[in-house]
Amino acid sequence: EAQVTQNPRYLITVTGKKLTVTCSQNMNHEYMSWYRQDPGLGLRQIYYSMNVEVTDKGDVPEGYKVSRKEKRNFPLILESPSPNQTSLYFCASSLEGRSGSYTFGSGTRLTVV
Amino acid sequence: TQLLEQSPQFLSIQEGENLTVYCNSSSVFSSLQWYRQEPGEGPVLLVTVVTGGEVKKLKRLTFQFGDARKDSSLHITAAQPGDTGLYLCAGEARVWTDKLIFGTGTRLQVFP
Repeated sequence: EAQVTQNPRYLITVTGKKLTVTCSQNMNHEYMSWYRQDPGLGLRQIYYSMNVEVTDKGDVPEGYKVSRKEKRNFPLILESPSPNQTSLYFCASSLEGRSGSYTFGSGTRLTVV
Repeated sequence: TQLLEQSPQFLSIQEGENLTVYCNSSSVFSSLQWYRQEPGEGPVLLVTVVTGGEVKKLKRLTFQFGDARKDSSLHITAAQPGDTGLYLCAGEARVWTDKLIFGTGTRLQVFP
């Protein structure tokens, strides 16, 4: 089944403790992206990647890092999480690039206390 | 500045009622996508409309792209509890940006 898999689904952590949210897709898509979704603010793009070893900032990149060493994986790294990064995170991939139709993962609900 | 405004923001209706959700912009889009996000899940693509004036039907859902490609609507006939979710429109601009612009969302609740 074609899908984007995120892990974990739920995560509660403390301020400053580094964490990684994994994302993997099995559709051979070149384009991958991370979004956060907050009430009243909608979906906001954090980082995106057009292909392996090519990443770029989205609209809200501060406090986040990403890497794209293989086509299928696009982990999101929070080096020093803060409470304002409490949010619902989605990974997405697209065959057609940044403005194409997206396949989203099921989401990771992160709480930073 | 929000480039894609959706209305209404919230909608609570009884099973069997009809409803329309709107997605409006002052900008022209090359295409418009509609997604549905169910509670606890990621958005799932429903349809993409490409041509101005285009109408696409997906069972009880009818999608229309405005003639000027600045707006779109989603009409649901005889809503069912399974239609409950967050409906998002997303525009592909191409000319003035290479990214997908997401709308503000319409949260629909259908009661049995």
